[in-house]
Amino acid sequence: SQWGEENLQALSIQEGEDVTMNCSYKTYTTVVQWYRQKSGKGPAQLILIRSNEREKRSGRLRATLDTSSQSSSLSITGTLATDTAVYFCATDSSGSWQLIFGSGTQLTVMP
Amino acid sequence: NAGVIQTPRHKVTGKGQEATLWCEPISGHSAVFWYRQTIVQGLEFLTYFRNQAPIDDSGMPKERFSAQMPNQSHSTLKIQSTQPQDSAVYLCASSLAWGGGAETLYFGSGTRLTVL
Repeated sequence: SQWGEENLQALSIQEGEDVTMNCSYKTYTTVVQWYRQKSGKGPAQLILIRSNEREKRSGRLRATLDTSSQSSSLSITGTLATDTAVYFCATDSSGSWQLIFGSGTQLTVMP
Repeated sequence: NAGVIQTPRHKVTGKGQEATLWCEPISGHSAVFWYRQTIVQGLEFLTYFRNQAPIDDSGMPKERFSAQMPNQSHSTLKIQSTQPQDSAVYLCASSLAWGGGAETLYFGSGTRLTVL
């Protein structure tokens, strides 16, 4: 697998709190994508971060990528109940056409 | 833009029957992917087409699964002699182009296949 075991998590927080989700990957990559999947829907891309960016923001989202530790994080500030979803990190495997997804983090935001 | 359209949304088959799943990619997108999603295995890559040509089917179970893309507006995933372990959500995605992990995949809502 491209992804480390710690990617599989379930988090439950109150609306308004901040949250950070982490992924670690095994083989070299220069791009990590984060997707969100709401119940009954397919994954939708939230943010794409490249190794030369280290940090990227989009609204309440902030992604980081540390190629030295082969890890990425996604932070959401001021969470809303509508942020309840499964969050996946994804990257390609060197030499492969496949976009490989981590196991995902189930985030539940309680109103 | 209606996004990626998958039909049917739900399909129930008996063990041993055939199931055909349909996908209409976003108009103008040259890359089409099929993934399978289960609780245990997560999101698994099945196959990839570029400009309708099969490029990578390394994730496809060889004996009973097949995928085709007869034209740029639709792709099908066919499962012959379905087994209970084929029960999953099958997701289709398309991309404007595909050069690797820097492209965005746009997913449909999936087809939930239940094999009794």
